[in-house]
Amino acid sequence: EDKVVQSPLSLVVHEGDTVTLNCSYEVTNFRSLLWYKQEKKAPTFLFMLTSSGIEKKSGRLSSILDKKELFSILNITATQTGDSAVYLCAVGMDSNYQLIWGAGTKLIIKP
Amino acid sequence: EPEVTQTPSHQVTQMGQEVILRCVPISNHLYFYWYRQILGQKVEFLVSFYNNEISEKSEIFDDQFSVERPDGSNFTLKIRSTKLEDSAMYFCASTLDRGGSPLHFGNGTRLTVT
Repeated sequence: EDKVVQSPLSLVVHEGDTVTLNCSYEVTNFRSLLWYKQEKKAPTFLFMLTSSGIEKKSGRLSSILDKKELFSILNITATQTGDSAVYLCAVGMDSNYQLIWGAGTKLIIKP
Repeated sequence: EPEVTQTPSHQVTQMGQEVILRCVPISNHLYFYWYRQILGQKVEFLVSFYNNEISEKSEIFDDQFSVERPDGSNFTLKIRSTKLEDSAMYFCASTLDRGGSPLHFGNGTRLTVT
């Protein structure tokens, strides 16, 4: 069965800390892994990863994919209260149109 | 930046009633999706739509559900006879191509079935 597992399920840190969120997957015909940030409503796109070992960066956020070990990490440095959200990982496959979603990591940044 | 827009933002309906959730995808996108998220749970895939037909659907998308793209801009999800367990946030998403572009989501419609 195709699955995406995120860890931790929730995380509370103080402003300024660095956090690492994990996403592991077992899917057939992997195509891409996507990270989304979900605040109150719809997920907003952060990164799409298709190749192993190539870091993607956007400001204080970065992500990397390991296709051999079947996982990705999302790093957030110098966290701010505005980073508080649920971070979702989803995996797309070549064989179908679905995305398989993880349950998310709820990140709370305390001032 | 172009957006996916969904209406209404909140819909309350009685069990057994029909509802239609509306979405306007980004205009040059070709692939359209409906997802739902029951409060506190995972985002779940319902259906994908391409070239005016369903390309894939999940087990959740049973005979009570249907989708339509009636006029080249709107993309609708109809639930024929709602059940209590249909209460969820319903997200529409679109993408330019399936392989290389991420999904863009609308803000969702919160459906409450009483």
